[in-house]
Amino acid sequence: KAGVTQTPRYLIKTRGQQVTLSCSPISGHRSVSWYQQTPGQGLQFLFEYFSETQRNKGNFPGRFSGRQFSNSRSEMNVSTLELGDSALYLCASSWGGANYNEQFFGPGTRLTVL
Amino acid sequence: TQLLEQSPQFLSIQEGENLTVYCNSSSVFSSLQWYRQEPGEGPVLLVTVVTGGEVKKLKRLTFQFGDARKDSSLHITAAQPGDTGLYLCAGNSGGSNYKLTFGKGTLLTVNP
Repeated sequence: KAGVTQTPRYLIKTRGQQVTLSCSPISGHRSVSWYQQTPGQGLQFLFEYFSETQRNKGNFPGRFSGRQFSNSRSEMNVSTLELGDSALYLCASSWGGANYNEQFFGPGTRLTVL
Repeated sequence: TQLLEQSPQFLSIQEGENLTVYCNSSSVFSSLQWYRQEPGEGPVLLVTVVTGGEVKKLKRLTFQFGDARKDSSLHITAAQPGDTGLYLCAGNSGGSNYKLTFGKGTLLTVNP
């Protein structure tokens, strides 16, 4: 079974631009979660989607948004990029049940904002 | 806000040594997971512990969930260079909460 895939793997943008990241979950998984990882803050939860609905959201500004398609693939968008948005963005998929909630991560997209 | 504190933050040891890393919280979790992350990759799930006092073994790795389900530990016996990586614990509060709360991790380096 193929794992979680994320595209692109690396991205360089300048301040003020916007970016869209893509995530394809493991086949059969209906939940997709997004995380931002930085050396100082660690892994921080952005949001989680299940069956095209956002079920949970972290404490990030409205510049961060996401969506999920009917095939469970997900995208996240960051508008008006700031230098502090430079990070590894990780996507994780799971079956979607609350119990255990074991998540399987993709390799991440490394975003650099100049 | 639920927080998970991991210690130590950094650990550098020689091959063959034993080590323990800790994950502590003031909150109760319905389950707790341990992940290992290598540079340039996403975290990989190692184990999930669910029951207070539970102990799980994965080859040379031993995971324990505290009786009160607020803390956990990971013990590695006879560490090898291949164990090098960032070890993350993550708690799930269960119910209708579908997000994991992650600790900041322990960066382990095992020198040959």
